Amino acid sequence: DTAVSQTPKYLVTQMGNDKSIKCEQNLGHDTMYWYKQDSKKFLKIMFSYNNKELIINETVPNRFSPKSPDKAHLNLHINSLELGDSAVYFCASSQEGRAHGYTFGSGTRLTVV
Amino acid sequence: AQTVTQSQPEMSVQEAETVTLSCTYDTSESNYYLFWYKQPPSRQMILVIRQEAYKQQNATENRFSVNFQKAAKSFSLKISDSQLGDTAMYFCAFMKRGGSTLGRLYFGRGTQLTVWP
Repeated sequence: DTAVSQTPKYLVTQMGNDKSIKCEQNLGHDTMYWYKQDSKKFLKIMFSYNNKELIINETVPNRFSPKSPDKAHLNLHINSLELGDSAVYFCASSQEGRAHGYTFGSGTRLTVV
Repeated sequence: AQTVTQSQPEMSVQEAETVTLSCTYDTSESNYYLFWYKQPPSRQMILVIRQEAYKQQNATENRFSVNFQKAAKSFSLKISDSQLGDTAMYFCAFMKRGGSTLGRLYFGRGTQLTVWP
């Protein structure tokens, strides 16, 4: 199936831990994104990569580090997790120049306890 | 900066009826795209409909249509013949065409739509 795959779907972890969320797309898109959806459902961009190059880096703590080994993958690593990091994290992809919007992954619900 | 405003946090409609969700946006750009996304309880973000700003004709996708008023910066979504499966959070979103923030989506805060039997 063509899609944006995100793993894991759920992640429960203790404060202070380090965790990663993986994202892969097989749509041939050249741009990938990470969005955070808070408890009030507001979606805000964190990062975007175009052909492995960082394009958008919003004001997020340095504890969040995206890594794009190739244009089909964009992973998110989070160090020293805090309670406030609890949210749903969405990966998405799009193709530059095409106004089709994003294809989203199914989201990762991160709960920090 | 671009902002998207959805003034109705919640709406409800009876099955088979028609409902309209409001969205306004603020931008100095002339070339952009507008979208409506749906997020059902499954959490998946699903594209409902999109509109290119340079097209005057309103987009339609089956039971979903938009009323795009560029001068008023308004982009409402009409759902006809509402179905129980339409129950979801609906997000209006704006994307500038081109530029250094290429592809960035600006979202409204969403409208929770409930369809009642």
